[in-house]
Amino acid sequence: DQQVKQNSPSLSVQEGRISILNCDYTNSMFDYFLWYKKYPAEGPTFLISISSIKDKNEDGRFTVFLNKSAKHLSLHIVPSQPGDSAVYFCAASRDNYGQNFVFGPGTRLSVLP
Amino acid sequence: DVKVTQSSRYLVKRTGEKVFLECVQDMDHENMFWYRQDPGLGLRLIYFSYDVKMKEKGDIPEGYSVSREKKERFSLILESASTNQTSMYLCASRQTTVLSYEQYFGPGTRLTVT
Repeated sequence: DQQVKQNSPSLSVQEGRISILNCDYTNSMFDYFLWYKKYPAEGPTFLISISSIKDKNEDGRFTVFLNKSAKHLSLHIVPSQPGDSAVYFCAASRDNYGQNFVFGPGTRLSVLP
Repeated sequence: DVKVTQSSRYLVKRTGEKVFLECVQDMDHENMFWYRQDPGLGLRLIYFSYDVKMKEKGDIPEGYSVSREKKERFSLILESASTNQTSMYLCASRQTTVLSYEQYFGPGTRLTVT
């Protein structure tokens, strides 16, 4: 039973347009969420995070939105660049100490030049 | 820069062999993690450690054990490798702080059990 879901296995976007990656979770007790990006043959790298006390967090071209009532978060990338092509994982913290995380299955983003 | 290194990028082992995967981090992080990544399943937590000699089971600990004798090193042990343990194994570390839950990952070890 997946506690964190990313229902789109893949997404293709034209360079310069917005990419929107979605993530749904089942447990309303999750209170901290992160997005990671993973290139082939490399480990995931941290992209952006959000605490449940916020509904938006921005970092440059990346913005994460959190809708607690819907148990949904999304990552917006504007403008999308070819170098953004990677697998994106959504993750949720299952405790208050950041020691126990559950990850979604990932979405493969392809940004077309 | 935080560096997490894993002993092998690729490993091929036979069924029944004992397998050791080593992970070393150079940033004095308290927390270390082992995940496996499989297509369509994302990263699944096998074990984590919040201090030397301390360990906690994750979601899929069966068939695995871990060892943390030194703060910088966290080892994953497959006592008797099986073909269903063929996977990508990722190690991560994190500093205990309430300011960030970010984990730093190693490059991964792709293990094939034949």
